Amino acid sequence: AQSVTQPDIHITVSEGASLELRCNYSYGATPYLFWYVQSPGQGLQLLLKYFSGDTLVQGIKGFEAEFKRSQSSFNLRKPSVHWSDAAEYFCAVGASGTASKLTFGTGTRLQVTL
Amino acid sequence: GAVVSQHPSWVICKSGTSVKIECRSLDFQATTMFWYRQFPKQSLMLMATSNEGSKATYEQGVEKDKFLINHASLTLSTLTVTSAHPEDSSFYICSASGPGAGANVLTFGAGSRLTVL
Repeated sequence: AQSVTQPDIHITVSEGASLELRCNYSYGATPYLFWYVQSPGQGLQLLLKYFSGDTLVQGIKGFEAEFKRSQSSFNLRKPSVHWSDAAEYFCAVGASGTASKLTFGTGTRLQVTL
Repeated sequence: GAVVSQHPSWVICKSGTSVKIECRSLDFQATTMFWYRQFPKQSLMLMATSNEGSKATYEQGVEKDKFLINHASLTLSTLTVTSAHPEDSSFYICSASGPGAGANVLTFGAGSRLTVL
């Protein structure tokens, strides 16, 4: 069964600082990997996805993520955080080849200090 | 881009009543829809998968008679929480996939917060 681990429940960074959110997955084949962001009381917005090819993927809002098969990781990064980035971030894994049901991590809450 | 609308965004009901939540794809045909439940400060848990015109497939532990899912058209799926109880209070989120929504990508609704008194 597929699973996702986000080891950091809560992270606080200063505005302008760099950010890395960790995500480790377990999946028997080549996974489809996603990062979503959720603002309070809102649904999920897709930040970026990895299906195949270049292991460094660019997303919206200046985010990027790198797929490392050897480490079963798909960490999310941003070089300079803005106060508006404060939100809950979810990593998710799905079966390759289809937009099938996703398994989500427990989420990382990002707090940005000014 | 693809848009999924959920209605209502929040609802309060009395214990024992039923509540219906709608999930609509506004600009694409949602051949498959997924319903998730999210408890406060927790992740999303998949409840069921529905394909247009077919019965929904429920995840283990989800009561199909309590959470009725209908996906009668390519743009609408509904989740009805029957005989709601306070423990059913939660944030329910739908997502959809289909032609025109982006290959292999789910589009999520904004969610519906249910409070059962």
